[in-house]
Amino acid sequence: EVQLVQSGAEVRKPGESLKISCKTSGYSFNNNSIAWVRQMPGKGLEWMGIIYPADSATRYSRTFQGQVIISADKSISTAYLQSTSLKASDTAMYYCARVPTGRWIDHWGQGTLVTVSS
Amino acid sequence: EIVLTQSPATLSLSPGEGATLSCRASQGISTDLAWYQQKPGQSPRLLVYAASNRATGIPARFSGSGSGTDFTLTISSLEPEDSAVYYCQQRSSWPPSFTFGQGTKLEIK
Repeated sequence: EVQLVQSGAEVRKPGESLKISCKTSGYSFNNNSIAWVRQMPGKGLEWMGIIYPADSATRYSRTFQGQVIISADKSISTAYLQSTSLKASDTAMYYCARVPTGRWIDHWGQGTLVTVSS
Repeated sequence: EIVLTQSPATLSLSPGEGATLSCRASQGISTDLAWYQQKPGQSPRLLVYAASNRATGIPARFSGSGSGTDFTLTISSLEPEDSAVYYCQQRSSWPPSFTFGQGTKLEIK
């Protein structure tokens, strides 16, 4: 069974940094891309970026380029989303998701709620 | 950059009725389109990929159609559990990116 299990909810102050994880199982981690998607409260889905674990190649949305870092550790089949200098506007649910063909998402993590507040 | 525009923004229908959700791309994308369903408090779920292929486990009352710039998700004989927000999504080869539509909220009266 394909599973993507994300780390738990986080609360941070403005200016702090954050790294959330997405532990995968049930399939070949190396051969399937992982995307990160943001959903701000009451809003729609925003693609942040994608990583191909086999060679760690990454692509970022223009909105998030330079604001976040996506990485992966093949040895433990886990992807990460890192953000520094958080702002209140970064408060959102963040999803990791499997992209098997590079074109659409077939499995999603449960989401990680990030709250940034002073 | 390709923009996806979904209509209507909100749809309110009764059980047993049919629903037609539209997604329009700002330029042709062949059949490179997927549809997702998101219920409150849940992660999205893949319904349709490559414009017209139902994902594993998706009921036959969900069907997708279209190519080029105009796409449709049709839900026949609505059930109460179909109440959700529906998103379309496409992938661009260059620049490499994904785009989601803004969503259609379907309410079952």
